[in-house]
Amino acid sequence: GAVVSQHPSRVICKSGTSVKIECRSLDFQATTMFWYRQFPKQSLMLMATSNEGSKATYEQGVEKDKFLINHASLTLSTLTVTSAHPEDSSFYICSATAPGQSRFDEQFFGPGTRLTVL
Amino acid sequence: AQSVTQLDSHVSVSEGTPVLLRCNYSSSYSPSLFWYVQHPNKGLQLLLKYTSAATLVKGINGFEAEFKKSETSFHLTKPSAHMSDAAEYFCVVSDQGTGGFKTIFGAGTRLFVKA
Repeated sequence: GAVVSQHPSRVICKSGTSVKIECRSLDFQATTMFWYRQFPKQSLMLMATSNEGSKATYEQGVEKDKFLINHASLTLSTLTVTSAHPEDSSFYICSATAPGQSRFDEQFFGPGTRLTVL
Repeated sequence: AQSVTQLDSHVSVSEGTPVLLRCNYSSSYSPSLFWYVQHPNKGLQLLLKYTSAATLVKGINGFEAEFKKSETSFHLTKPSAHMSDAAEYFCVVSDQGTGGFKTIFGAGTRLFVKA
């Protein structure tokens, strides 16, 4: 149980285009999802917290107009990187907490999406 | 302010020998602590978690960790390393700080296992 999927697993795009990454909880309803980015050989950095039906909460330094997050249903959150540039190339990982859990409980992570912007 | 320090960026052990991955944290309140493992190009998998119950926590694949409040440590151990343990390990703290709820990842420790 508690499986999280991401699509696509890899994406290559041209500079200036927008890319959408989907995060789905497959066997549970996720009221809260999190988006992280991970640079090579570095740790995960939280970008934003997404609650179903409300606006995402962005971490300091993360541009909300560049990284659009939509959490329209209890099983799907999307991250759209708008007008992507090479510096946006990274590994993007989503996670979710299961119903009944608090934010202090474990998060279930998706397999990640490798974005390469040419 | 909350923080997590993984004291070693790399640890190398021989197969069959003990593993010790060190983690220290700072927290203003009562944190939850986790260890996750990440294999190359894969998502993170929970190894174990501490959420104010028993201080010695047993996880999957033979790993365990002990929460020591006096030392603000949560070191990860395994009696005997296996080749499949080679991966990146993250110590994570979740806490309610003055700035609100935070989940903070350590920088990670890469574990190498030699045959």
